[in-house]
Amino acid sequence: DTAVSQTPKYLVTQMGNDKSIKCEQNLGHDTMYWYKQDSKKFLKIMFSYNNKELIINETVPNRFSPKSPDKAHLNLHINSLELGDSAVYFCASSPLNTGELFFGEGSRLTVL
Amino acid sequence: KNQVEQSPQSLIILEGKNCTLQCNYTVSPFSNLRWYKQDTGRGPVSLTIMTFSENTKSNGRYTATLDADTKQSSLHITASQLSDSASYICVVSPSGGSYIPTFGRGTSLIVHP
Repeated sequence: DTAVSQTPKYLVTQMGNDKSIKCEQNLGHDTMYWYKQDSKKFLKIMFSYNNKELIINETVPNRFSPKSPDKAHLNLHINSLELGDSAVYFCASSPLNTGELFFGEGSRLTVL
Repeated sequence: KNQVEQSPQSLIILEGKNCTLQCNYTVSPFSNLRWYKQDTGRGPVSLTIMTFSENTKSNGRYTATLDADTKQSSLHITASQLSDSASYICVVSPSGGSYIPTFGRGTSLIVHP
């Protein structure tokens, strides 16, 4: 009965590789997000996506691309991984009426 | 520019003691303010939500306050327990538009036995 689930939980890869993180929510929410949490624990929004619109944070490199096959899924694909991409990536979803964020457990990406 | 500032950055207290965390924001127009608790290795979980008309709201040993005039909020933890050790994040959402919330950097709380 997991609400927001993301896989994999841990990902270790070499610089220059391409990787994807998957996210699924079974809450029926309209909006999904990807957040990046750096070593100082600051959560920074990367993307917000709902049925109508994809909002791209302009500080996110275009190596990062979200893909949403349907309302319940928002995957994150990263091309040409760099050392600075190492972080914990959190998927979240929220209903339109309250805006409360429901987070997944995070995916720790380590780029060597 | 919308900003959320939290203090202190970190806090260490003894089990059973009380503590108060602070949050100042400049998000406008204001819709609501939430406090999230993030345990180590987990995703954040919402503790309380405060809207413009609310001054105080409690959730067990957690009590949040909001002063919309001074744009300040506090989270008071009573009779702390070891399980309260976590990062507490203040998140402020604007009204209308894209509804993208602004996050504070969090307060790291450690409760020692």
